[in-house]
Amino acid sequence: DAGVIQSPRHEVTEMGQEVTLRCKPISGHDYLFWYRQTMMRGLELLIYFNNNVPIDDSGMPEDRFSAKMPNASFSTLKIQPSEPRDSAVYFCASSPLSVRETQYFGPGTRLLVL
Amino acid sequence: DQQVKQNSPSLSVQEGRISILNCDYTNSMFDYFLWYKKYPAEGPTFLISISSIKDKNEDGRFTVFLNKSAKHLSLHIVPSQPGDSAVYFCAARGGGGSNYKLTFGKGTLLTVNP
Repeated sequence: DAGVIQSPRHEVTEMGQEVTLRCKPISGHDYLFWYRQTMMRGLELLIYFNNNVPIDDSGMPEDRFSAKMPNASFSTLKIQPSEPRDSAVYFCASSPLSVRETQYFGPGTRLLVL
Repeated sequence: DQQVKQNSPSLSVQEGRISILNCDYTNSMFDYFLWYKKYPAEGPTFLISISSIKDKNEDGRFTVFLNKSAKHLSLHIVPSQPGDSAVYFCAARGGGGSNYKLTFGKGTLLTVNP
């Protein structure tokens, strides 16, 4: 299996621009998670989905962030407008219901907002 | 407020020796603990886990110990190998919120010297 796929791997944008990060989970996994990693705060959960439905978005920093999962094989995390403090590595992870303790991470998207 | 803490940002050991990585937590409602390993430019990969009802779990060279009364867990790697050099994250599941939410520590960079 291909594993969790994220695109783009790197994104450089200017403050105020819209940024869209994409994720394809492992086929058959029921859960999808979006994380953000920064030096200051470490790895933080932003939002997660179960069967395409958002379950917990308490980690989403503010209204500029939104996430969708239109189907079982695709999710997006959008930042609009982007700010320099959004610069971080964003990870997507998925998990099967049968092994719910284990999450399989993608390679991450490194975002730099200038 | 950090509920999962890894107080050592880095650790250096000699090849063949034991590596001990430590993790402390504050939330007594965590029911499952995991260790992830992360190489540069890759996402974290699951290493080993332990349920809160156990005090030890072993998988090859890796052993995780849990001391619930002290709210402390540790990962032992014996013998350490240069390929073990990576950032190790401690994570805890649950904590009174969503059952599938993982709370991560900030990580410990392990360097195994040949």
